[in-house]
Amino acid sequence: AQSVTQLDSQVPVFEEAPVELRCNYSSSVSVYLFWYVQYPNQGLQLLLKYLSGSTLVKGINGFEAEFNKSQTSFHLRKPSVHISDTAEYFCAVSPRDDKIIFGKGTRLHILP
Amino acid sequence: ETGVTQSPTHLIKTRGQQVTLRCSSQSGHNTVSWYQQALGQGPQFIFQYYREEENGRGNFPPRFSGLQFPNYSSELNVNALELDDSALYLCASTGWASGRGSNEQFFGPGTRLTVL
Repeated sequence: AQSVTQLDSQVPVFEEAPVELRCNYSSSVSVYLFWYVQYPNQGLQLLLKYLSGSTLVKGINGFEAEFNKSQTSFHLRKPSVHISDTAEYFCAVSPRDDKIIFGKGTRLHILP
Repeated sequence: ETGVTQSPTHLIKTRGQQVTLRCSSQSGHNTVSWYQQALGQGPQFIFQYYREEENGRGNFPPRFSGLQFPNYSSELNVNALELDDSALYLCASTGWASGRGSNEQFFGPGTRLTVL
């Protein structure tokens, strides 16, 4: 079985400051790792995903994430946030059979 | 724009009623998955269909059922609605993302179901 833990339910950060959203996962098999973003009243949009290879993954909107196998983590980072980044962010895993297991989400608040 | 559409956008039902939610996938996407997202929670996998057959199920009771049609549309049916069924229901179709060079799930905007 797989599980995902997002360590912060809410993260406030000032505009143009850097941000890190933390994610840890548990799995007995190899998994794909994802970060999705959900803007208010919208569906999910894929930010980035890790399948294999380089542990630093670059995604859309200036986000990147680093896979750390020893710490079973996949933290999401952005060097400078914008007000438009206000949204809910979900870390997720998939055991390669197309079924995705999501964390509970982290709400990113951008402060002016 | 993912090309995945869902209807209706919002729906209000009462306990005990039945509901059908619809999803239209992109042409060529043979796999569709349904998720339930309760308020303040992450989406939870309900089930997946591949070429009109159920291809995996999450921890949901049998009153949650689905159908997939040859025209890339699908339905989620919920019988004997309970208050806890109030949630955003998302469908996702699996297809090739040329920009990423791999398959991925493309999510629709969801149907918000309220059970009174």
